[in-house]
Amino acid sequence: DQQVKQNSPSLSVQEGRISILNCDYTNSMFDYFLWYKKYPAEGPTFLISISSIKDKNEDGRFTVFLNKSAKHLSLHIVPSQPGDSAVYFCAASAQGGSEKLVFGKGTKLTVNP
Amino acid sequence: KAGVTQTPRYLIKTRGQQVTLSCSPISGHRSVSWYQQTPGQGLQFLFEYFSETQRNKGNFPGRFSGRQFSNSRSEMNVSTLELGDSALYLCASSLISRGETQYFGPGTRLLVL
Repeated sequence: DQQVKQNSPSLSVQEGRISILNCDYTNSMFDYFLWYKKYPAEGPTFLISISSIKDKNEDGRFTVFLNKSAKHLSLHIVPSQPGDSAVYFCAASAQGGSEKLVFGKGTKLTVNP
Repeated sequence: KAGVTQTPRYLIKTRGQQVTLSCSPISGHRSVSWYQQTPGQGLQFLFEYFSETQRNKGNFPGRFSGRQFSNSRSEMNVSTLELGDSALYLCASSLISRGETQYFGPGTRLLVL
């Protein structure tokens, strides 16, 4: 049973446009959500997080939106740059982070120049 | 502050052999988690150690084991290697809790022939 789902294995966007990566979860106990970016042959890098008490968190070009009623979160990258091309993993945990992180399978983003 | 380091970076073994991977967490981090990444499967949680004790274990066979030392460094061992064990093994550290933001090492790429 996959508790965190990233239904799009890949996404391709044009440089300068918006990239929207989606993530759905099934466990209503999840209250902390993170996005990681991963380049080939490297470990994932933490990007941005959001607690369930908020519905939006912004950090530069990256914004994460959380819709608790729909059990859905999304990562917006504006404007997209070729260097953003990577695999993006969504992750979630429960009980304020005391439970382990559960990862989605990732979405490969390609930003074309 | 130095990041998470993992050794070795690359490893080639044959079926039936055993392997030990090492991870040094960020200084001050006491929680170390291990993940296996294979194409299409995302990050599969192996186990997490805190204060030299295994706190949680994923759904992997007993051939996969680990330990943590008093300085928080951790090792992961896989015995009787199978072809399907070929993967990128990632170590991540966090301050205390496994569900909070984790910082990943570069991974060890294991190839089993």
